[in-house]
Amino acid sequence: NAGVTQTPKFQVLKTGQSMTLQCAQDMNHNSMYWYRQDPGMGLRLIYYSASEGTTDKGEVPNGYNVSRLNKREFSLRLESAAPSQTSVYFCASSPTGGAGYTEAFFGQGTRLTVV
Amino acid sequence: QKEVEQNSGPLSVPEGAIASLNCTYSDRGSQSFFWYRQYSGKSPELIMFIYSNGDKEDGRFTAQLNKASQYVSLLIRDSQPSDSATYLCAVNTFGDYKLSFGAGTTVTVRA
Repeated sequence: NAGVTQTPKFQVLKTGQSMTLQCAQDMNHNSMYWYRQDPGMGLRLIYYSASEGTTDKGEVPNGYNVSRLNKREFSLRLESAAPSQTSVYFCASSPTGGAGYTEAFFGQGTRLTVV
Repeated sequence: QKEVEQNSGPLSVPEGAIASLNCTYSDRGSQSFFWYRQYSGKSPELIMFIYSNGDKEDGRFTAQLNKASQYVSLLIRDSQPSDSATYLCAVNTFGDYKLSFGAGTTVTVRA
């Protein structure tokens, strides 16, 4: 049972380069999320997808785009990387039943450095 | 104002002691409260959730919720070196698909 799988685990980019972070879950969850984690800042939501076919901005969406490719996959794209985007990125998924939010399951994280 | 605030730590406790972690939140509409544990270099994992006022116990962990005071806490009894980690408080409003996280409190259990 793989859970939530993110690729890559590590990445170094030069300023201005673009890249896509991939995330896939095999738990048949409806909702998926991208967070970034910086020292002393906790987890901040970048974008989320409540269900297949929908995406919404979170707390810190500037500089990012997302695609909910299908129910399993949710990708995060940096079009023109900046040093301020150096962070650890986590993808998460949640079953989100009718009562609202339920437990989120996290991927192993992607450590991104922009130089 | 940050939505979810946690005591900044780090918190150092001797093995066998009780570690007490605190979290306050600003949105009175918040309905679901979660505690995640994150080991260094790893991803967060859920250890407790609580929806109703009062205490909820799971093994050595007790979550306490007081919605009137907008306060949620986590007690770790008989602390073990394996409990050394960062603990993240997370809050959700009913019908909202987003979780808001605090900055986390780092706990070190001294053997």
